[in-house]
Amino acid sequence: ETGVTQSPTHLIKTRGQQVTLRCSSQSGHNTVSWYQQALGQGPQFIFQYYREEENGRGNFPPRFSGLQFPNYSSELNVNALELDDSALYLCASSIHTGGNEKLFFGSGTQLSVL
Amino acid sequence: DAKTTQPTSMDCAEGRAANLPCNHSTISGNEYVYWYRQIHSQGPQYIIHGLKNNETNEMASLIITEDRKSSTLILPHATLRDTAVYYCIVRVEETNRDDKIIFGKGTRLHILP
Repeated sequence: ETGVTQSPTHLIKTRGQQVTLRCSSQSGHNTVSWYQQALGQGPQFIFQYYREEENGRGNFPPRFSGLQFPNYSSELNVNALELDDSALYLCASSIHTGGNEKLFFGSGTQLSVL
Repeated sequence: DAKTTQPTSMDCAEGRAANLPCNHSTISGNEYVYWYRQIHSQGPQYIIHGLKNNETNEMASLIITEDRKSSTLILPHATLRDTAVYYCIVRVEETNRDDKIIFGKGTRLHILP
């Protein structure tokens, strides 16, 4: 158990819809990273939030957006869903220390876009 | 893009040592080697990391070659629960800069009973 919880665990949406995924960080962690994992692939970095601000972004379009709240929990929002957005979405929390930063992952949200 | 190369899959007999190789020939002097693993239906789990010295913890040992261009993760006594995808990652760790953890495709390790 990592102390990182994600909700919901599974979700089905249709193309064009919007979705919000949620993540609660491990206690004491101030940084949240989001990853997308397609079937059979490694996790792909979407973005990271540190102290409520975006702190790095991967190669994802602007319709992928996020928020981090004062309690360091986080949301991932995806607008105008496409079929290729079907994937496991992973949240990871960490302590931004400038070194030896280990990520602690939740079990993910499985999103299916029909 | 991932800066590491790993075999796609490996098998290991239960109770034996599992040795997972990783090539990182373009590694820079300030880049650490990290290992994570992902068991089916779970998020990745941190295993170990190192810079140039060999490292050992309760989960595994990490052997880094002297030129730092490759490393080996060793699970000393593999069990069926060690069946997972193992990711080797290199990243910079400095006071004012942390590279984000970028995953490749990893090695799918099968522990055989």
